[in-house]
This record gives sequence, C-alpha cells and structure tokens, in this order.
Amino acid sequence: AQSVTQPDIHITVSEGASLELRCNYSYGATPYLFWYVQSPGQGLQLLLKYFSGDTLVQGIKGFEAEFKRSQSSFNLRKPSVHWSDAAEYFCAVGGKGGSQGNLIFGKGTKLSVKP
Amino acid sequence: SAVISQKPSRDICQRGTSLTIQCQVDSQVTMMFWYRQQPGQSLTLIATANQGSEATYESGFVIDKFPISRPNLTFSTLTVSNMSPEDSSIYLCSASARTGRYATNEKLFFGSGTQLSVL
Repeated sequence: AQSVTQPDIHITVSEGASLELRCNYSYGATPYLFWYVQSPGQGLQLLLKYFSGDTLVQGIKGFEAEFKRSQSSFNLRKPSVHWSDAAEYFCAVGGKGGSQGNLIFGKGTKLSVKP
Repeated sequence: SAVISQKPSRDICQRGTSLTIQCQVDSQVTMMFWYRQQPGQSLTLIATANQGSEATYESGFVIDKFPISRPNLTFSTLTVSNMSPEDSSIYLCSASARTGRYATNEKLFFGSGTQLSVL
C-alpha cells in the first residue's frame, strides 16, 4: 500500500541550530515527492519537490531535501533554523494519474523553535 | 500563481445537517481536489472534482456523503451531508495548473481550509 511516514510528531530546536525532518515512503512506481509547510491559519505552501534527476533538491526559505531510493526516504534539512520556521511540515508522495494533485500525505511534524 | 479562496473558513454545525464549502480560484486551473484533515491525522484526498461531470472519489468516500460540484474551471463546492461529530475536520480545496504536457509542468495550490466542528 502507498503510504508516507513521518516518524517525528513534534520537534523542538533552538534558533540557529540545524534541522532534519524525516520522511519515509512506500510507493509502487517512481514517486513524485514533496515537502509542504503549513503555518497557523495559512494554506499549505510548497517548499520543494522531487521528480527526477539530482537527488538533492533545493527549495524555498533555505530548505533542501535529499531523495534516497535505497532507503525510501526524502528527509528535509535546513542548516540554520529561524524562529519564523515554526510551523507544521508535511511530506507527501504522488503522481497517480499523472497529476501532482493526487497526493498521499504524512501525518506531519510540528516544529517549535526555541529562542 | 493561483489564489484560492475558500468559504467558510470555519463553522460549527449541528448533527444531521449539511454544510457546503465553496472554493474559488482566481484563474483557470486544470484540476481541483478536496482533502480532509482529521484531528491528529494526515491530509486525505476525498475526491477529484471534474468539470461538468461526476467527481472521482477515493476509496472510503462516497458521493451521497460528500457531493461535489464543479460547474466551471474556477469554482467547486464540497457538501458534507448528514453530519456527525466524526466529520469534524479541516477540509482543504486544492487546484492544479498545468503549463505543459506532463505533471512535472504542474503547479499545485491550496486554500487555507475550512475548520468544521460538528456538535
């Protein structure tokens, strides 16, 4: 079955510290992979996506993610976290029907940032 | 980019009633989708809203419970029918715009959601 696992429900990091959010997926075909961020009262915003090619993907706001096929992982990283990064982060996999819209989401990881 | 307006942003409803959520996009989009996010759960795709025809529902979701309309390229509605407390969720509209032949040329946008509480 197709699924996305985000093993960390809640992570707290200090401002300026590095961040890694984990994501593992199970998908029959070559997946499209995404990371979205959701701030309180805001819609989901795409941070980055991977379709093919270079397995290290750069996104907005200084985020990057690395696709590791052997580990079925697509972990999100940021070298130095800012207080404004506090939000909920969702990993998603899709591509069914040739559309990015048919997405399977993980349960999300809530990021808190300590001053 | 497309801007999605979703109404209402939140509502509190009585058991047994129905609520219709509206989703308006400010530009023509290729596809529109409805998601549900139950408390503590991930977002789950309910259905793909097809223009001028019946929506395509995912496993576990049926038209009688979640009737969907999409009369044109920029507007869709989702109705949550005969509500029960288990329907308390955030409902999200999303839309995709494709500039080329392949999904890699697609951009996906999300509304800010409707927070529904059923008493």
